Amino acid sequence: QAVVTQEPSLTVSPGGTVTLTCGSTTGAVTSGHYPYWFQQKPGQAPRAIIYNTSNKYSWTPARFSGSLLGGKAALTLSGAQPEDEADYYCLLYYSGVRAFGGGTKLTVL
Amino acid sequence: EVQLVDSGGGLVQPGGSLRLSCAASGFTISGHNMNWVRQAPGKGLEWVSYINTDSTIIKYADSVKGRFTVSRDNAKNSLFLQMNGLRVEDTAVYYCAADPAPWGQGTLVTVSS
Repeated sequence: QAVVTQEPSLTVSPGGTVTLTCGSTTGAVTSGHYPYWFQQKPGQAPRAIIYNTSNKYSWTPARFSGSLLGGKAALTLSGAQPEDEADYYCLLYYSGVRAFGGGTKLTVL
Repeated sequence: EVQLVDSGGGLVQPGGSLRLSCAASGFTISGHNMNWVRQAPGKGLEWVSYINTDSTIIKYADSVKGRFTVSRDNAKNSLFLQMNGLRVEDTAVYYCAADPAPWGQGTLVTVSS
């Protein structure tokens, strides 16, 4: 099965901007991989914040956006808040089979 | 309220079986493809299984293929995961998840002697 790659950890300053990426060992990530992004805070269930590359849910803060960037899926956080400190996982679709990335631990400091 | 409620987890010995259930309320799952996802203690998320709306397409992760069986009953608005031949490494919180949302709160499966 394909391996989905993410940065293990990133740090952003409060109010700053950071981009998390999601790659695939099979090649470029496209809209056909229907990228999802999930946020998970300690002790909580994961919560989806982006689906199908760039679509937001009603609960997704406006400061989060999804895109494709340089052959990868990307999650950009503009204007980071302390409450955005969490683990972030991407999920890619491969003809029915799916795979999560290893997650990015985002620190807001 | 739109939600999924996972249940059926517990402690089981290696080689044993468990059946997880996921009940939907506030919406009908018949219009949603569904998944099971798990998270071992202190680890990341692992996709386990996928079933489309009419059960004609079913997929499994290699780690559970041949041991786990996903099914759904749209009339009962429920999703299931039959887990046989359980191994210590199957210990995890199991979540049911609708595409594109919501997710259940998770149910803990512990495989230990």
